[in-house]
Amino acid sequence: QKEVEQNSGPLSVPEGAIASLNCTYSDRGSQSFFWYRQYSGKSPELIMSIYSNGDKEDGRFTAQLNKASQYVSLLIRDSQPSDSATYLCAVNNADTGRRALTFGSGTRLQVQP
Amino acid sequence: GAVVSQHPSWVICKSGTSVKIECRSLDFQATTMFWYRQFPKQSLMLMATSNEGSKATYEQGVEKDKFLINHASLTLSTLTVTSAHPEDSSFYICSGGDRGSYEQYFGPGTRLTVT
Repeated sequence: QKEVEQNSGPLSVPEGAIASLNCTYSDRGSQSFFWYRQYSGKSPELIMSIYSNGDKEDGRFTAQLNKASQYVSLLIRDSQPSDSATYLCAVNNADTGRRALTFGSGTRLQVQP
Repeated sequence: GAVVSQHPSWVICKSGTSVKIECRSLDFQATTMFWYRQFPKQSLMLMATSNEGSKATYEQGVEKDKFLINHASLTLSTLTVTSAHPEDSSFYICSGGDRGSYEQYFGPGTRLTVT
């Protein structure tokens, strides 16, 4: 059973700080990695995708991937109270050929005003 | 990003009745659609994967005769909860994926309450 592990949190940061969210995965063959944001009572929203080692920046968000360490992270700069949500890490399953993603259980982020 | 709609957004039904939930990809062709269930404060649970024109593949422990999935076109998939019971009350979410990518775009979800 392929796994995606996340710290459930809550991760509490002050407004304006950098929030760092981490994710490890077990499938060494995975090639596609995603971060979703889910507000309470809502469905997940895709915010970042990353496929190559290194950093990928989009506005205040930076995704980091290290395939050798099987580690994905999401940095949120200048955190805002509106960033308070659960962040889900998702990874493709390389060996099954299935298109389904494996999701972590999510990290709850709280940004304190 | 791509847009997926779901209908209805919420539904209340009596125990023993059936409920159909529609999932539509509005601006892309969803060759694969996924159905999830999420209980309060719990993780997403994948129920089944469907490819257009094919039978759905159900996850272990999901009753395929209870949760009927139809993916008749590249833009529409339906989930029918048959003979619903209170324990089926949950947040049902669909997502769509394009052929060339693993990205999934989620619909807004359907909150089902069975009384």
